[in-house]
Amino acid sequence: QSVLTQPPLVSGAPGQRVIISCTGSRSNIGAGYDVHWYQQLPGAAPRLLISRNSHRPPGVPDRFSGSKSGTSASLAISGLQAEDEADYYCQSYDTSRTGSRVFGGGTKVTVL
Amino acid sequence: EVQLVESGGGLVKPGGSLRLSCGVSGFRVSDNYMSWVRRAPGKGLEWLSVVDPGASTYYADSVWGRFSISREKSENTLYLQMNSLTSEDTAVFYCVREKGGMDVWGQGTTVTVSS
Repeated sequence: QSVLTQPPLVSGAPGQRVIISCTGSRSNIGAGYDVHWYQQLPGAAPRLLISRNSHRPPGVPDRFSGSKSGTSASLAISGLQAEDEADYYCQSYDTSRTGSRVFGGGTKVTVL
Repeated sequence: EVQLVESGGGLVKPGGSLRLSCGVSGFRVSDNYMSWVRRAPGKGLEWLSVVDPGASTYYADSVWGRFSISREKSENTLYLQMNSLTSEDTAVFYCVREKGGMDVWGQGTTVTVSS
């Protein structure tokens, strides 16, 4: 069981907007730690999609956006495209163990 | 060019050991937070260990006491020594730079623990 909770599956039609939630607690997201988001396409290594809650690294389309509030964060994908079909992970830090990084369980996004 | 290249994966028997290497180019491993992350078959990403620029090391509970992270400044290489391996350690292992998130990933090396 992951420290950060994500829905296992999110689906949408092409062009739709989907949102992936990432729920933590006062020992991680709620403690003020940043949340990062990663995309892992089939057969590929993960890549950083959203840095420090809401910042897009160079090369990431502006269809992807992130936000954080309280003990949760979310990733929104607007104008869903077939190439967005992938696994998405949130990641933060946790006070339960010094230096600990924690991932969400991952969300599979399927394009209908 | 900024690049990470893992090596050292393979097939190992339960109880065995393996050392993974991560060759770094384009930046100094000793100036950055460097982590190891894995993904087991059918599961999600799992953070394992990090070494900070001051050489302090931290581990996930699942590998504490069995895995050891280190770096070699002259070779600009990151290592992960893995001991007492079990089938639960079967996964693709990634070397990662942390800079505002895990911003650079290697291609991964596969470790299979089986008799």
